[in-house]
Amino acid sequence: NAGVTQTPKFQVLKTGQSMTLQCAQDMNHEYMSWYRQDPGMGLRLIHYSVGAGITDQGEVPNGYNVSRSTTEDFPLRLLSAAPSQTSVYFCASSSEWSGNTIYFGEGSWLTVV
Amino acid sequence: AQKVTQAQTEISVVEKEDVTLDCVYETRDTTYYLFWYKQPPSGELVFLIRRNSFDEQNEISGRYSWNFQKSTSSFNFTITASQVVDSAVYFCALRGGNSGGSNYKLTFGKGTLLTVNP
Repeated sequence: NAGVTQTPKFQVLKTGQSMTLQCAQDMNHEYMSWYRQDPGMGLRLIHYSVGAGITDQGEVPNGYNVSRSTTEDFPLRLLSAAPSQTSVYFCASSSEWSGNTIYFGEGSWLTVV
Repeated sequence: AQKVTQAQTEISVVEKEDVTLDCVYETRDTTYYLFWYKQPPSGELVFLIRRNSFDEQNEISGRYSWNFQKSTSSFNFTITASQVVDSAVYFCALRGGNSGGSNYKLTFGKGTLLTVNP
């Protein structure tokens, strides 16, 4: 009963380092997305994908890259971390056949020092 | 553009009180979906309900009830006889349903922190 799985749960990075947040879902959902949550801001969309090989930018895409080589996986890459990217990151997935309900992973807490 | 407003930043109640969390939305889509999520102190996002724009029936699930009114663009959430375990941040969210490739993105309100005191 995995659903949406994110790793790592916690990470501390130094400014300028790169890293990848992993996201995998086992529900065969075609739609996947990444959000970031900042205090008082709610959740904001970073990037999303409507299927393997297709990605697009959301509201706050700068500083992040994504790819979707398989239906199951949707990694989020920070190429050169900045303190402004300190946030909680959520991966999500959904499908038309699942009633379009959007399911979230447990979140990844990232601190950039 | 879509927008979700949760005007109540924080609410504090005493256990067993009823509490209503307000949500007002804006969209130009003729078909859309509204959601409520709960985020407890542990941080995960828990799906509570999805409501389609063409279904204005109110819904009750145990102590939870939702009042959807298209005329006022509101989708309010009421917890009856609140309990300490209801303490969390609650988010209202909107997803558009018209064609265009961006239908599967959620627009979130900023959340309401509910504290239920014993």
